[in-house]
Amino acid sequence: GQSLEQPSEVTAVEGAIVQINCTYQTSGFYGLSWYQQHDGGAPTFLSYNALDGLEETGRFSSFLSRSDSYGYLLLQELQMKDSASYFCAGGGDDKIIFGKGTRLHILP
Amino acid sequence: SAVISQKPSRDICQRGTSLTIQCQVDSQVTMMFWYRQQPGQSLTLIATANQGSEATYESGFVIDKFPISRPNLTFSTLTVSNMSPEDSSIYLCSVEDTGLAGINEQFFGPGTRLTVL
Repeated sequence: GQSLEQPSEVTAVEGAIVQINCTYQTSGFYGLSWYQQHDGGAPTFLSYNALDGLEETGRFSSFLSRSDSYGYLLLQELQMKDSASYFCAGGGDDKIIFGKGTRLHILP
Repeated sequence: SAVISQKPSRDICQRGTSLTIQCQVDSQVTMMFWYRQQPGQSLTLIATANQGSEATYESGFVIDKFPISRPNLTFSTLTVSNMSPEDSSIYLCSVEDTGLAGINEQFFGPGTRLTVL
């Protein structure tokens, strides 16, 4: 079966760094994506890792280790607007499966 | 990058009725995806719709309950049939397209918030 596991919620302080982990089990896996969803909004793409290693996009970075079936999303210099749900998603067999999402709470 | 619109944005329906949700994309795409998202929950893939062929349904979803049309490369509909309160959810249309960074991304429509009484 296909599944992606991530923590249900994480709390961090404004200006700090937070890491959201994702472990996966998907068939025909070809990469790990991360999506952000604000309350009432549609998911929006953040990053994608096809190869092992770190991908950096501004304040957000994403990491993948295929051998460990593991990845994470790293958010730096947290801002209040980063309060949202973050989903990891794994691609395989011509479809993408989403994790259950991590709710990020940011404290001032 | 693809821009997706959905109609209706929300609806309140009576038990036993059906609702058809429309999804329009501003570019031609091969595959369109329909997801369901309960409030505060993850996205669950209902089916993949390819133009010119039958939709492929995920485990737990059947064509009689969620018939899908895909008449061309820019449009699809999802019907929620014989609705019950358990069908209350947000339904999202999605496509895969190349984003600004040249990477294949999934783009989502704004969603249709369905409430069944």
